[in-house]
Amino acid sequence: DIQMTQSPSSLSASVGDRVTITCQASQDISNYLNWYQQKPGKAPKLLIYDASNLETGVPSRFSGSGSGTDFTFTISSLQPEDIATYYCQQYDNPPFTFGPGTKVDIK
Amino acid sequence: EVQLVESGGGLVQPGGSLRLSCAASGFTFSSYWMSWVRQAPGKGLEWVANIKQDGSEKYYVDSVKGRFTISRDNAKNSLYLQMNSLRAEDTAVYYCARDRRGVISDYWGQGTLVTVSS
Repeated sequence: DIQMTQSPSSLSASVGDRVTITCQASQDISNYLNWYQQKPGKAPKLLIYDASNLETGVPSRFSGSGSGTDFTFTISSLQPEDIATYYCQQYDNPPFTFGPGTKVDIK
Repeated sequence: EVQLVESGGGLVQPGGSLRLSCAASGFTFSSYWMSWVRQAPGKGLEWVANIKQDGSEKYYVDSVKGRFTISRDNAKNSLYLQMNSLRAEDTAVYYCARDRRGVISDYWGQGTLVTVSS
């Protein structure tokens, strides 16, 4: 199975800051990567698919990049409503494993 | 509007069984792969299983193989997860999700809690 890692596991940033999360796959997954946002008590929400494609209706301050084994998720200007845990997920081969998550809060 | 509503969760003893259901509406259910994802209390997301549009292909995470069975009824717009030989470590909120292109979970239900405890 493909293992996914994320860093950092948590971060605190100020409103307006640029926030970057990295995700690494244990083997080449091309661009077969999703990013999800999950707020407490809620279901996950798809933000990015195919590593860099923004899901319809998602604010443009969210972006993703990368291919192969190394990926990056960025919030260009952190907003209070972005407080959540963010997960990457590979879909190169089942099981479609998730990363352990990165918890983002406001400093 | 796409809606996914899970049901069937509850408290079950170790070794017991439970069947989860997911009622879908607002889209052509028979045109999409569907999946189950779970989240243990205070933990991250774990992909559990998925199923092709016609039920001809199914995939599972190793930890549930041989114990869980994913199925669907396209006439009833419903997805199921039959869970047998339940263990404490299966305790989680179980989400169903619609899979665009079979791999992108673009809509999720609100989840149903399964608690395995004596």
